[in-house]
Amino acid sequence: KQEVTQIPAALSVPEGENLVLNCSFTDSAIYNLQWFRQDPGKGLTSLLLIQSSQREQTSGRLNASLDKSSGRSTLYIAASQPGDSATYLCAAPNSGYSTLTFGKGTMLLVSP
Amino acid sequence: DTEVTQTPKHLVMGMTNKKSLKCEQHMGHRAMYWYKQKAKKPPELMFVYSYEKLSINESVPSRFSPECPNSSLLNLHLHALQPEDSALYLCASSQGDREAFFGQGTRLTVV
Repeated sequence: KQEVTQIPAALSVPEGENLVLNCSFTDSAIYNLQWFRQDPGKGLTSLLLIQSSQREQTSGRLNASLDKSSGRSTLYIAASQPGDSATYLCAAPNSGYSTLTFGKGTMLLVSP
Repeated sequence: DTEVTQTPKHLVMGMTNKKSLKCEQHMGHRAMYWYKQKAKKPPELMFVYSYEKLSINESVPSRFSPECPNSSLLNLHLHALQPEDSALYLCASSQGDREAFFGQGTRLTVV
């Protein structure tokens, strides 16, 4: 069964810093990997989907990379802002299914 | 439209009540999901419907009963729940190996 690990569990940075969130997964036979954002008590907002044929995907200040061979993905956030404060979840599909296994998330706090 | 709509947003119910959670999407996705999320934990899969047929049931207690009336709607019927069932219930939809979209969730409190 797919297992997903995220490091760090929590991160506190001052506004303007660039930062990297890490995700690792055990079953590398994935066809994509998805990053989500979750605000407290709210649902999940999809940030980026990387297909297995891609190595990177960008959306605004966000850049996600995927290395299937090493079982790793990173989410890079440039010039962080207080509005980026949230929990970031990495999700990998389970082999043969469209269901997702989530990591425990990285709780990000960006201070003004 | 990439929206998954869940109603209600909040629900408080007694242990003897019967209630239903509703989910709707109009993206033409043929797979719909229910996930359960406890505080400070990641979402965990409960049920998957594919082409309106239940395809995965992750050994969820029978007090949770899913229903998929058509390809756009997904319901979760609740009966005789326990306080430990209090959680955020998330609905999602997807198509093939494409992006999954989640709703804003229903915050359920069982008293």
